[in-house]
This record gives sequence, structure tokens and C-alpha cells, in this order.
Amino acid sequence: DQQVKQNSPSLSVQEGRISILNCDYTNSMFDYFLWYKKYPAEGPTFLISISSIKDKNEDGRFTVFLNKSAKHLSLHIVPSQPGDSAVYFCATRFLSGTYKYIFGTGTRLKVLA
Amino acid sequence: DAMVIQNPRYQVTQFGKPVTLSCSQTLNHNVMYWYQQKSSQAPKLLFHYYDKDFNNEADTPDNFQSRRPNTSFCFLDIRSPGLGDAAMYLCATSKVFGAGGDTQYFGPGTRLTVL
Repeated sequence: DQQVKQNSPSLSVQEGRISILNCDYTNSMFDYFLWYKKYPAEGPTFLISISSIKDKNEDGRFTVFLNKSAKHLSLHIVPSQPGDSAVYFCATRFLSGTYKYIFGTGTRLKVLA
Repeated sequence: DAMVIQNPRYQVTQFGKPVTLSCSQTLNHNVMYWYQQKSSQAPKLLFHYYDKDFNNEADTPDNFQSRRPNTSFCFLDIRSPGLGDAAMYLCATSKVFGAGGDTQYFGPGTRLTVL
């Protein structure tokens, strides 16, 4: 079964604190992961990605960690800002005959001022 | 601004009445995708075009078809919408498929209601 799971549908964090969004996957063949952010009435926008040859990728306030043995990745936002309030989707791209794209169900982050 | 545009933003159709959703892009990207996202579920890829080459996901129902008359436009046709087809339909584009440079740029989506 090819799945990407975001088990927390929502998360609330105080402004200035760290937000940690989690994602689990089922297939060890998944080798490239992405995070997208979605505001209401807009399409998802690409945020950050990581290849399985790395265990960390950082871009400003956003860091993605990959734990291949646990089949787990997480997105850290430090410090969290009210403008970060959005739905965050974890996704994977992998090769199975042709390339496949699988998304998680999303986690709604609310950053409280 | 270069962008992905979807029209209409909201579409209401009747059970069994064919409906077409539209997507256009000014990014000049080679790949265009259609995703279906039902409430509280993950976006699910239906198919994609790489230039003129159409690629259907194995589990996409036959009820769903697509056309890409030129680089800029792509249409999603639902031949006989059922109640289960009510969803948000997202169009996306990317420069390439399945390699570096395949970051997808999404439109705002069309929310389809089937009565």
C-alpha cells in the first residue's frame, strides 16, 4: 500500500514557538519528499523538499528532517508566525514504472498571536 | 505574474450532465496535471500531460477525460458526473516530469457540486 500519512489533522502553536508537523510513509522505496502550504481559496504552493540521500534540509525558518529507518519526516517552523497559519501537505514523488505523486491529507496549522 | 488559472472557481452540475473544467497557465510549462481532492482527503492525481502525451493513472475512472489543445490550456471533462465526483479539482503545472525541476505550481482549484 502506497501511503503518506499525516495523522494530526490540526495543530495550534503560539507565535514565536516552534511548529512541528509530522508525516509517516509506508514504502521504503519513496525517495523524494515535498511539503506544500495551502492558504484558503488558493492552490498549494511548494515549500521545501528533501531527497532520501539527506536527513535534513533547511530554508530560512523551515527545516525538514527525514528519518528513513522510521519512515518518518517532519517539518519544523521556527519561529512560527501568524502568517504561517495554513494547511500543510506532505507529499512524495517516487518511481514505479513511471513517476508517482502521492499526497497526505494535510495538517491545519494555526499560529496564535 | 506568471500563474495557473482555473475557471470557473465554483461549478454546479446535475447528476449525469457532462461538465468541463478549465485550466490555463502562463508559465510555459511542459507538464500539466489534474488532481481530485475530496473533503478531508489527500489530493489524488488523476492524469497528466507531458506536452501532448497523455498519461492516465491506473485507477482514474473512465468517466474522467482530459484534453490539452495547446501548451497553455488543459481541460478536465467529466462525462457523467455522479454524486461521488463532487470534489475540489486542482490543476498544476511543472517544467519537467519526475526529476529535478518538477516542482508543481497549483491553481486555486474548481469546487464541483453535483446535484
